[in-house]
Amino acid sequence: QLQLQESGPGLVKPSETLSLTCTVSGGSINTNTYYWACIRQAPGRGLEWIGSIYFRGSTYYTPSLQSRVTISVDTSKNQFSLNLNSVTAADTAVYFCARLSYSASSGIDHWGQGTLITVSS
Amino acid sequence: DIQMTQSPSSLSASVGDRVTITCRASQSISTYLNWYQQKPGKAPKVLIYGASSLQSGVPSRFSGSGSGTEFTLTINSLQPEDFATYYCQQSYSTPRITFGPGTKLDIK
Repeated sequence: QLQLQESGPGLVKPSETLSLTCTVSGGSINTNTYYWACIRQAPGRGLEWIGSIYFRGSTYYTPSLQSRVTISVDTSKNQFSLNLNSVTAADTAVYFCARLSYSASSGIDHWGQGTLITVSS
Repeated sequence: DIQMTQSPSSLSASVGDRVTITCRASQSISTYLNWYQQKPGKAPKVLIYGASSLQSGVPSRFSGSGSGTEFTLTINSLQPEDFATYYCQQSYSTPRITFGPGTKLDIK
């Protein structure tokens, strides 16, 4: 059974960098049938796609965050990671890791449980 | 970017009711549309993919339809566990996906 587990700092100071690691278990991140995605949800708000990465390292980001976000993959550890720099209180959210089908015919079939990251001094 | 809208934004219904949620895309997305259910404090769960295909394990009271720019999610005979927030998501531009703003379904 595939599982995704987010790990993050919980609290980040304004202007600093938010880092989130997603660990994949029960399956390999080295697959040509899925992308790996980061999605967030601010308190009381909807779902916002942040970006996606392919196991070979190709990345895709939402335009509103593109200047501040980097997603990377470490296939040896079966992990992918999100870095979001110059954070503000508006970046406070539950951050999810997810598996996104490579085929447009499907969507996200596995999600992590999510982790709350608060931006505050 | 493809923008998604949903209506209504919130909906009150009773157990046993039939409800319909509408999702619209800013351009044609064929049938590359997925529906998710999210309960408080939990990750979303896929219900419908490809506009009308029921995800394995999802009760048959859930159904989806539509193509192009307009889609619907219908829940027949609402059950207590169905009260949640529902999101549509376009996968036409995978891996650049977008979600609708959500529809909160609560008990009347």
